[in-house]
Amino acid sequence: EAQVTQNPRYLITVTGKKLTVTCSQNMNHEYMSWYRQDPGLGLRQIYYSMNVEVTDKGDVPEGYKVSRKEKRNFPLILESPSPNQTSLYFCASRPGQGLGAAFFGQGTRLTVV
Amino acid sequence: AQSVTQPDIHITVSEGASLELRCNYSYGATPYLFWYVQSPGQGLQLLLKYFSGDTLVQGIKGFEAEFKRSQSSFNLRKPSVHWSDAAEYFCAVGGISSASKIIFGSGTRLSIRP
Repeated sequence: EAQVTQNPRYLITVTGKKLTVTCSQNMNHEYMSWYRQDPGLGLRQIYYSMNVEVTDKGDVPEGYKVSRKEKRNFPLILESPSPNQTSLYFCASRPGQGLGAAFFGQGTRLTVV
Repeated sequence: AQSVTQPDIHITVSEGASLELRCNYSYGATPYLFWYVQSPGQGLQLLLKYFSGDTLVQGIKGFEAEFKRSQSSFNLRKPSVHWSDAAEYFCAVGGISSASKIIFGSGTRLSIRP
């Protein structure tokens, strides 16, 4: 089954404690991205990757890092989380070329206290 | 500037009634348009997409959307809603190049009145 898998689904952490949210896709998609979803703001892109070792900033990259060492994985790293990063995070993937729509993971609800 | 506007934050309709969710976009190139649905606690699921051809597109779960270039709109419709349609709906626009990102509207929450 084609899917994007995120872990964990829920996470509560304290300010400043580094964390990683993993994302894996099994569709051999070139393009992967991270979004955060906040009430009234829709989804805003944090970072994206067009292929292995190719990453770039989205609209709200501050406080986040990503890496793309393998095609299937695209982890999101918060080196020093702050309360304003409390949000619902989604990973998505889509084909790099053509008219493919994005597939989304189930989401990770992060609370930073 | 590229943007997507969903003017209705929250809509309530009665079960069995018809539904139309509005979406307007601003995009410099030929747009590639999507509607996604997000059920509570779930990720986003693609309902339908449009790039070219017939301006009325059919999607899953009985939804359809009509592209109107002159109005820069891509409204989502369903003739008769079911209680299970209660969810949040997102309109999105993107381009066809590998570098283009998908821009989302702020969403419309749909409630169903029994």
